[in-house]
Amino acid sequence: DSGVTQTPKHLITATGQRVTLRCSPRSGDLSVYWYQQSLDQGLQFLIQYYNGEERAKGNILERFSAQQFPDLHSELNLSSLELGDSALYFCASAPGGDEQYFGPGTRLTVT
Amino acid sequence: DQQVKQNSPSLSVQEGRISILNCDYTNSMFDYFLWYKKYPAEGPTFLISISSIKDKNEDGRFTVFLNKSAKHLSLHIVPSQPGDSAVYFCAASGGGADGLTFGKGTHLIIQP
Repeated sequence: DSGVTQTPKHLITATGQRVTLRCSPRSGDLSVYWYQQSLDQGLQFLIQYYNGEERAKGNILERFSAQQFPDLHSELNLSSLELGDSALYFCASAPGGDEQYFGPGTRLTVT
Repeated sequence: DQQVKQNSPSLSVQEGRISILNCDYTNSMFDYFLWYKKYPAEGPTFLISISSIKDKNEDGRFTVFLNKSAKHLSLHIVPSQPGDSAVYFCAASGGGADGLTFGKGTHLIIQP
């Protein structure tokens, strides 16, 4: 158990809809990262937050957004969903170094 | 363009033998490398890492070797155990890249 929690575990929704994925980092970790893992790709970095502020952006679509709240939990919002957004979404937290600790992931299925 | 490559999608090794997983990278500015292990339906678990100023790091049965001139790293597992069967991801950080850059993984199967 990494100490990082993600909810929900599974999510099935229709095209065009909007969903919110939630992540609680390990106690004391200020950084939260979001990654997407689809079938034909490895883990792709989406976005990083540090202590409530956006720190870095990766391959994140404009339809996706994230935020980190004062209690350090983070939410990833995915809107106007397309079939190709079906993937595993992982959240990771880090105490400040390069080592990141991953949650169990949310499997999103868009039908 | 993939900056971190794991060219073997799968690897089968007998229990008790050495498992060697390979990883190549193209970005010479990467300065920290990590290996993660992933079981089905779980998130990746951090295994071992190495800084670019070192060429070897050891932790129990796991050793990571870094060859900077060849832009190559490898993970050695000795001896291999059935519980080592999992997907192993190589990742890199630094070099102007944000977040970790992952390879596509190698599925290691330990046979009894």
